[in-house]
Order: sequence, then structure tokens, then C-alpha cells
Amino acid sequence: GAGVSQTPSNKVTEKGKYVELRCDPISGHTALYWYRQSLGQGPEFLIYFQGTGAADDSGLPNDRFFAVRPEGSVSTLKIQRTERGDSAVYLCASSFDRVGQGYTFGSGTRLTVV
Amino acid sequence: AQSVTQPDIHITVSEGASLELRCNYSYGATPYLFWYVQSPGQGLQLLLKYFSGDTLVQGIKGFEAEFKRSQSSFNLRKPSVHWSDAAEYFCAAGSGTYKYIFGTGTRLKVLA
Repeated sequence: GAGVSQTPSNKVTEKGKYVELRCDPISGHTALYWYRQSLGQGPEFLIYFQGTGAADDSGLPNDRFFAVRPEGSVSTLKIQRTERGDSAVYLCASSFDRVGQGYTFGSGTRLTVV
Repeated sequence: AQSVTQPDIHITVSEGASLELRCNYSYGATPYLFWYVQSPGQGLQLLLKYFSGDTLVQGIKGFEAEFKRSQSSFNLRKPSVHWSDAAEYFCAAGSGTYKYIFGTGTRLKVLA
């Protein structure tokens, strides 16, 4: 597509529930990134995919968070047993390679855990 | 530890006035440097980037930034601000890999 698409744009869920956030990167971009932006903060790195594999998941806060990219295109960020502290905007970005040309970000998914 | 600092949380300028947003970084070596803009409800849009070479970098929307190694700074400037520039601005740094560190942002308000 023309840009990075993230769905849903907003998600409200109850504490303890499971959520999935989807990212559809720009066609041909091999690198995909997830960031989390809490209120009043800059984005924080979560995970980076090169192709189908997670090359670096060191930013995932704990084992409730997991992400996949099975065919090297669309990625899904999965959060189990959501907590109120997970409330944030989850941003996805993609790029042609990992050398830091500057990402293209999606508009994000605003997750609210009540 | 690597870090990016944006000292100004909020800045207010009048339309037509000049603008400078500050960014300081702490890295072991000169990182790649970026400025992004985020409008309400939108993702981050890349304004400009610095990798090497000329220390004055031109970007989109009339923005420019100057890399100063001696001050570990990468300040964003615009000679004449437009009302549509009101947004939040983020400075980011990366060490040649994929992982960026972002500052906490500066929210720009433009007075008519």
C-alpha cells in the first residue's frame, strides 16, 4: 500500500483480556518495527523484524507481549492478560533495510485498558 | 547510557516568527539523527535526517537542522512559522542500526 496501515485505530479492552494489533507495512519494505508511545513520552522500541524473523525483541516489556510476521509482510502484536499500564499508542513502522534511512510510521493504535 | 534530550516541553511562537527546537544527544559515537513531526491522531512524519557530511540539513516543509558535534546538538529551525506547523516534534537518534531512541517531544503552539 501507499503507507503503513494499522488496525484498529482505537481499541478499548478490559483488564485481563487478550488483544491483537495489526500492522500492514509498505509493500516491499523488509524491515518492520513496533514502538510504544505512552502519554507525554516519545516512542519506545519494542521489536524489530527483518523479513519473517524477529531480529531483536529486547524492547518487549515482558512475556505477555509477543509479535509475529509469518509471511514477511503483515505483523501482529499480541498482548495477553492486558493491564492498565499497557494503555498507550502502539506504533508500527517499516523501511527498506535496517541501516536507518528513517522509518515510515503508521498512525498507530490507541489501546486503552479499563 | 544513550539518550536524547529535548529540553523544551512546550514552545509558543507567533505566526511568521522564527523557530528553534533544541535537541541534545548522548552517544558513544556520532549517531544518525532525525526529526519527526506528529500531528494529533497521526503517526510520525520524517522531517529530515543527518547521517554525515554537511552539518546543515534541509528537510520538508521549510525546516532545517544543524548538527553541532561539539555541543552534541541537532537543533531544528524554521525561519517563518505557519499556523499549520502546530504539532509535536520529536528528535531521535540511532547508532546505525534499527533501534532509535526518541526524545520526549516538544509541543509547538502557534499564535495567530
